[in-house]
Amino acid sequence: DTGVSQNPRHKITKRGQNVTFRCDPISEHNRLYWYRQTLGQGPEFLTYFQNEAQLEKSRLLSDRFSAERPKGSFSTLEIQRTEQGDSAMYLCASSLGVKQGSDQPQHFGDGTRLSIL
Amino acid sequence: SQQGEEDPQALSIQEGENATMNCSYKTSINNLQWYRQNSGRGLVHLILIRSNEREKHSGRLRVTLDTSKKSSSLLITASRAADTASYFCATGASSASKIIFGSGTRLSIRP
Repeated sequence: DTGVSQNPRHKITKRGQNVTFRCDPISEHNRLYWYRQTLGQGPEFLTYFQNEAQLEKSRLLSDRFSAERPKGSFSTLEIQRTEQGDSAMYLCASSLGVKQGSDQPQHFGDGTRLSIL
Repeated sequence: SQQGEEDPQALSIQEGENATMNCSYKTSINNLQWYRQNSGRGLVHLILIRSNEREKHSGRLRVTLDTSKKSSSLLITASRAADTASYFCATGASSASKIIFGSGTRLSIRP
């Protein structure tokens, strides 16, 4: 079990630039989740995939955010025209889901910390 | 939006003492999970309790669930310095595959 891997660990960029993060889940996990976490708060759900299908997207996610999981394995999260409010930790998690439901533990990566200058 | 609210927001205890954290939520759930997060790291799953269960144990952890009060508690017995972390509850509904996290309790263990 190599765990969930996220790259890069840190990203510093200027306001208005585009950024892309990558998540490699545990290989046999079919579900993949993206969260955003700000200091002192719990993770906030952004979106989730079952295999390559994006099944749910938070209403909090603006059109500047897009996520893909093209082959049902790794996933990318892109933020276009970054704003200072996008500064946060972006966490990825994966789990094994057989049927609809949330009763499987999620395994988290160590996140990508985004800082917007 | 976050469904769970942990109480207290911060807790500092002496090593060896027990630590109790509470979580309250608003809507019906299928399960409730507890996670730990060390500073700068991802979350680690600790324990899951289903809506038809009232109590569950795992090592030094004891979780209770009261669906009538929409609340759960996490007890860590005989605390150790390595237990210093933030602890989050997360609720899941049967109709959804996502879980919703609370705002967490920051636990500090004094040597």
